[in-house]
Amino acid sequence: GQNIDQPTEMTATEGAIVQINCTYQTSGFNGLFWYQQHAGEAPTFLSYNVLDGLEEKGRFSSFLSRSKGYSYLLLKELQMKDSASYLCAVPNYGQNFVFGPGTRLSVLP
Amino acid sequence: ETGVTQTPRHLVMGMTNKKSLKCEQHLGHNAMYWYKQSAKKPLELMFVYSLEERVENNSVPSRFSPECPNSSHLFLHLHTLQPEDSALYLCASSQETFYGYTFGSGTRLTVV
Repeated sequence: GQNIDQPTEMTATEGAIVQINCTYQTSGFNGLFWYQQHAGEAPTFLSYNVLDGLEEKGRFSSFLSRSKGYSYLLLKELQMKDSASYLCAVPNYGQNFVFGPGTRLSVLP
Repeated sequence: ETGVTQTPRHLVMGMTNKKSLKCEQHLGHNAMYWYKQSAKKPLELMFVYSLEERVENNSVPSRFSPECPNSSHLFLHLHTLQPEDSALYLCASSQETFYGYTFGSGTRLTVV
């Protein structure tokens, strides 16, 4: 089966950098996804990593280490609108996903 | 507009009522899903339909009954729910794993 762990809550200041970690245990591996979910809204796709290393996309970057079962999402130049929950997810089998508990990020002025 | 449309956005129902949630996607995706999201809990997979056939049922109580009449539409029929069923119900669709899911905005369900 799959098991995913993330910190429950994080707080950071506007303009700062924050790193949200995700550890996972899977019986097979077919990539790792990060989603952003604002309160009361649908999760939206942020990134997909299937190979080790850092994928950069604007202010957001995602890192993966398959040997360590570890990923992180790096948010730079934080803005107030980045206050949201960040969900780590791995495919279970086929097209099913297992989601982590989500990290609720609060960005303070 | 996310490409996946869910109605209604909010629903309040009594424990003896029968209601249905609707999900529609016109992205050409071949799989559709129902997830339940409760406060402070991970997203829980309820049902998976691939090519209109149900391929996953995660031990969901029979008071939840899914229906997938075609590849673009998915329903969740609700009857005799309990207060603990109050949650955000999210529909999602996908084509290939590499592209992840496209989620609908969800239906906020309150059972009274």
